[in-house]
Amino acid sequence: AQSVAQPEDQVNVAEGNPLTVKCTYSVSGNPYLFWYVQYPNRGLQFLLKYITGDNLVKGSYGFEAEFNKSQTSFHLKKPSALVSDSALYFCAVRDPNSGGYQKVTFGTGTKLQVIP
Amino acid sequence: DVKVTQSSRYLVKRTGEKVFLECVQDMDHENMFWYRQDPGLGLRLIYFSYDVKMKEKGDIPEGYSVSREKKERFSLILESASTNQTSMYLCASRQAGAGTEAFFGQGTRLTVV
Repeated sequence: AQSVAQPEDQVNVAEGNPLTVKCTYSVSGNPYLFWYVQYPNRGLQFLLKYITGDNLVKGSYGFEAEFNKSQTSFHLKKPSALVSDSALYFCAVRDPNSGGYQKVTFGTGTKLQVIP
Repeated sequence: DVKVTQSSRYLVKRTGEKVFLECVQDMDHENMFWYRQDPGLGLRLIYFSYDVKMKEKGDIPEGYSVSREKKERFSLILESASTNQTSMYLCASRQAGAGTEAFFGQGTRLTVV
């Protein structure tokens, strides 16, 4: 069975500082990993994904994430946080070898608060 | 840009009512999904569809049904609404393929009183 954990319910960071939102996963094979962002009262928007290749993935709005197979992690990062980055962030995992539908499992979400 | 449109942003229904939530996507995606989102629980899959008239149960299908008569439209039906179905409902679509990302609608916040 696959799973994903976001260990922090909330992350606070000062504007201009680097931010990290943590994600760890568990799958039987090589994972496909995704990050989504949700602004208040909106649906989720895709930020970036890791399928294969370079472990550092760049995405929308200046975000990037690093796939670390040995630590089974896929942390989301940004060098300099903006107040407008304040939102709810979801990590998701899919095991491409699981057969059938290849279900996506979402984490419980991390609320990012960027303080002016 | 892909657009996934849910018919209502906010709904208030009475216990026992039959409730229809509609979702339309404009990018010819094969796969469509219904999730519910609750604080602390993340997104939980209710049902998904991989083709017209085809559907599969997700993690929490009890009390729900779905309909996909046309490729672009995926409807979620609450047969007899109950207060524990008060939630945010999110529709999503994506192209077939394990590495494709999903596109979400804006969500419907349903309150059952």
